[in-house]
Amino acid sequence: EVQLVESGGGLVQPGGSLRLSCAASGFTFRSYWMHWVRQAPGKGLVWVSRINSEGSSTSYADSVKGRFTISRDNAKNTLYLQMNSLRAEDTAVYYCAREEGGSYGGWGQGTLVTVSS
Amino acid sequence: DIQMTQSPSSLSASVGDRVTITCQASQDISNYLNWYQQKPGKAPKLLIYDASNLKTGVPSRFSGSGSGTDFTFTISSLQPEDIATYYCQQYDNLFTFGPGTKVDIK
Repeated sequence: EVQLVESGGGLVQPGGSLRLSCAASGFTFRSYWMHWVRQAPGKGLVWVSRINSEGSSTSYADSVKGRFTISRDNAKNTLYLQMNSLRAEDTAVYYCAREEGGSYGGWGQGTLVTVSS
Repeated sequence: DIQMTQSPSSLSASVGDRVTITCQASQDISNYLNWYQQKPGKAPKLLIYDASNLKTGVPSRFSGSGSGTDFTFTISSLQPEDIATYYCQQYDNLFTFGPGTKVDIK
C-alpha cells in the first residue's frame, strides 16, 4: 500500500524558513517523480513543485521560484521541500504526491504551514 | 501558463440526480486532464485520468469526457457519499488545477 507521510509543518514568522519532509513507503520510491501541492485554508489546490525520479530535474510554480527548493533522498525514501523567505500567502496545508503519468495516484495526509507574526 | 476554469463553482442536487461539471483549459491540452474528489479535511483522490479513464476501484457512476479545451465530468446518479469538492487538473504544461466545484445534497 502506498504511504506518504508529511512532517515539518508549523508556525513560522514572515521571512523565516521551514523544511518539510515526506516519508514514502509501500512502493519503489526511486522510480517515481514526486510533487508538492498546497492548499490555503478554504481554498483550492495549487501545484508547487516537482522533482524527477533521480533528483536531477526540478520545476517550480512562479509563486515559489527562488524561495523553495525541492529535493529527495532515494536511499532514505524521503522527499523534501526547503521553504525560505516565507510569506503570509504561503500559509497552507502542504501535500506530497506521487506522480503517475501526469496524475496524482497517491497523496499524503498533508502538513499545515502557518506564516504569521 | 495554462489556466483552468470550472463551472459551476457549486451545485446542489438530489440523491439520484445526474450531475455535470465542466472544465475549460485556456489552450489545447489534448486529453491531459484528470479529475479529483476531495472531502473536507482529507487529501484529494484521483477519480478519472487522461480525461476519460476511470481509476481502478472508482464507482462506475463517475465518468469523464472531452479533449482539447473542453471537458466534462459526470456523476450519473448522485449518492450521499459523493458530497465533496471536485477538481480538474491539467498536465500538458506543468500542472494546474481548476478552482473546484463544491457538490452538496439538496
